[in-house]
Amino acid sequence: DTAVSQTPKYLVTQMGNDKSIKCEQNLGHDTMYWYKQDSKKFLKIMFSYNNKELIINETVPNRFSPKSPDKAHLNLHINSLELGDSAVYFCASIGQRSSGGAGDTQYFGPGTRLTVL
Amino acid sequence: KNQVEQSPQSLIILEGKNCTLQCNYTVSPFSNLRWYKQDTGRGPVSLTIMTFSENTKSNGRYTATLDADTKQSSLHITASQLSDSASYICVVISGGSYIPTFGRGTSLIVHP
Repeated sequence: DTAVSQTPKYLVTQMGNDKSIKCEQNLGHDTMYWYKQDSKKFLKIMFSYNNKELIINETVPNRFSPKSPDKAHLNLHINSLELGDSAVYFCASIGQRSSGGAGDTQYFGPGTRLTVL
Repeated sequence: KNQVEQSPQSLIILEGKNCTLQCNYTVSPFSNLRWYKQDTGRGPVSLTIMTFSENTKSNGRYTATLDADTKQSSLHITASQLSDSASYICVVISGGSYIPTFGRGTSLIVHP
């Protein structure tokens, strides 16, 4: 069974377009995240949601808007795509609100490779 | 500024050999430190989680150490296998805000 799933796996689009990436977790976790991994494989947190409430927003341009319809889903919508948005985007989830407690294992999705032309 | 530095950047070893990866951090306040393995084209997978009071934690052939005084951690891989070829990422979680700071990873290649 897939714990954290993302769609699509690959996304190729033109500059200026609007696109969405979907994420779902079936672990019953309360907290979900979006991360961006650049071409040099450097991971950086973008957002964190707990029970549909935004708890971390790491200076991401407001072209990026996360949406959490329920605690099992955290979708990422990106407006006016730019070349620099090309990266792999990972969704992740963790069990407790703290998200950093030592007992909390974080589970990552398989990633969505976004290419902006 | 919170930072996590990993070394070496890349490493090539022969199958069956041991290796040690290093992680130095300046994150404060400290909550816990995590090591992840990321296979090519996949999401990171958690290997170990260590708190301030833990010096060593093992997960199969992977053993992580933590020296909270010197702010250093290491990941030791014993009897390497071809499937150990991956990127190994050190992550330090800040206390309070629980914001993770990622290292850039060590790329390990295990040759037969």
